[in-house]
Amino acid sequence: AQTVTQSQPEMSVQEAETVTLSCTYDTSESDYYLFWYKQPPSRQMILVIRQEAYKQQNATENRFSVNFQKAAKSFSLKISDSQLGDAAMYFCAFIIQGAQKLVFGQGTRLTINP
Amino acid sequence: DSGVTQTPKHLITATGQRVTLRCSPRSGDLSVYWYQQSLDQGLQFLIQYYNGEERAKGNILERFSAQQFPDLHSELNLSSLELGDSALYFCASAWGANTGELFFGEGSRLTVL
Repeated sequence: AQTVTQSQPEMSVQEAETVTLSCTYDTSESDYYLFWYKQPPSRQMILVIRQEAYKQQNATENRFSVNFQKAAKSFSLKISDSQLGDAAMYFCAFIIQGAQKLVFGQGTRLTINP
Repeated sequence: DSGVTQTPKHLITATGQRVTLRCSPRSGDLSVYWYQQSLDQGLQFLIQYYNGEERAKGNILERFSAQQFPDLHSELNLSSLELGDSALYFCASAWGANTGELFFGEGSRLTVL
């Protein structure tokens, strides 16, 4: 079975600093996609960043970047220059190529301290 | 705004009752997914429809059912409600059947008293 583990239920960081959220996953497949979703207090699930497993280069979206270690099945999210608006629950998720189900981790609640 | 519309946003009902949650996908999207998020939990996949047909089923209870209509909107029916069914129910849509990049609605918060 495919699983996603986020070992940090909560994290906090000072505004303008950098924080890294951890995610590991388990699958025997080689073709899959990985995602980080953000869920602010508004409850909306917002896609932050996406990584294709076949790509060696780590994805980057402005202040958000990932460290994808395929052999270790690790997919961490780095947020640089943290802003108050980054406060949210962050969910790691993945889907096997050709599958229908996006599997989510339990989430990490990120607090930004002013 | 993701373009996915869910109604109602909030719903309070009693045990044993039945409710219907509605979802309108983004324009052009053929897939609709339903997820359940209980308090402080991750999202649990319930069911997926693609162009009117059921494509995948997750941990959906027999008391729950869903369908996707010809205009591609979807409804999730929850019956014989129990206290444990209280949760946030998300609908998400995607263009393809297995693209992975889902666009989520704002969710329907169901409270069963």
